[in-house]
Amino acid sequence: NAGVTQTPKFQVLKTGQSMTLQCAQDMNHNSMYWYRQDPGMGLRLIYYSASEGTTDKGEVPNGYNVSRLNKREFSLRLESAAPSQTSVYFCASSLDRVNQPQHFGDGTRLSIL
Amino acid sequence: GEDVEQSLFLSVREGDSSVINCTYTDSSSTYLYWYKQEPGAGLQLLTYIFSNMDMKQDQRLTVLLNKKDKHLSLRIADTQTGDSAIYFCAEKLGGYNKLIFGAGTRLAVHP
Repeated sequence: NAGVTQTPKFQVLKTGQSMTLQCAQDMNHNSMYWYRQDPGMGLRLIYYSASEGTTDKGEVPNGYNVSRLNKREFSLRLESAAPSQTSVYFCASSLDRVNQPQHFGDGTRLSIL
Repeated sequence: GEDVEQSLFLSVREGDSSVINCTYTDSSSTYLYWYKQEPGAGLQLLTYIFSNMDMKQDQRLTVLLNKKDKHLSLRIADTQTGDSAIYFCAEKLGGYNKLIFGAGTRLAVHP
């Protein structure tokens, strides 16, 4: 029962470096999401994918790109990391986009120096 | 507008009931959720309620929804030390594929 798996769990980058965060789910869910969590704030949606082959911007997409590689996998890329992108990143998935709850991975803790 | 507000901290004695409150602003919310986050972990779905319901009970958890006042609460009966965590309230807006989260309430359970 893996659920939503994120890799890596921790990463430290230098400003300007690039990085791809990986996410995979084994629940046959259609929709997948990327959030960031910052201290004292709730989760904010970066990008989501309602189904395989589609992606849409969320609340805070600037500085990020995503790829829905297949139904299972949804990756988040930082092309040129900035200190403001230091955060905890969560991937989530749900069966569909309307009325099914989202299930979360354990997060990737990313620090950019 | 879209905004979800929660108090940041709650301290209770072991065995007492905990009540975590949440207010939201968008009347088009369809579902409201409670998630639990333990240190270093992701968010775990605790329970959720559809917007046409007033109450939902699941073992030690009771969710109350006052749609008129846009107020949601989570009551945990017989609070245990294992309940210490951050609890997030979230609303799903009708027709939109996103959740709006509150900042989270940190629940501390002491002996």
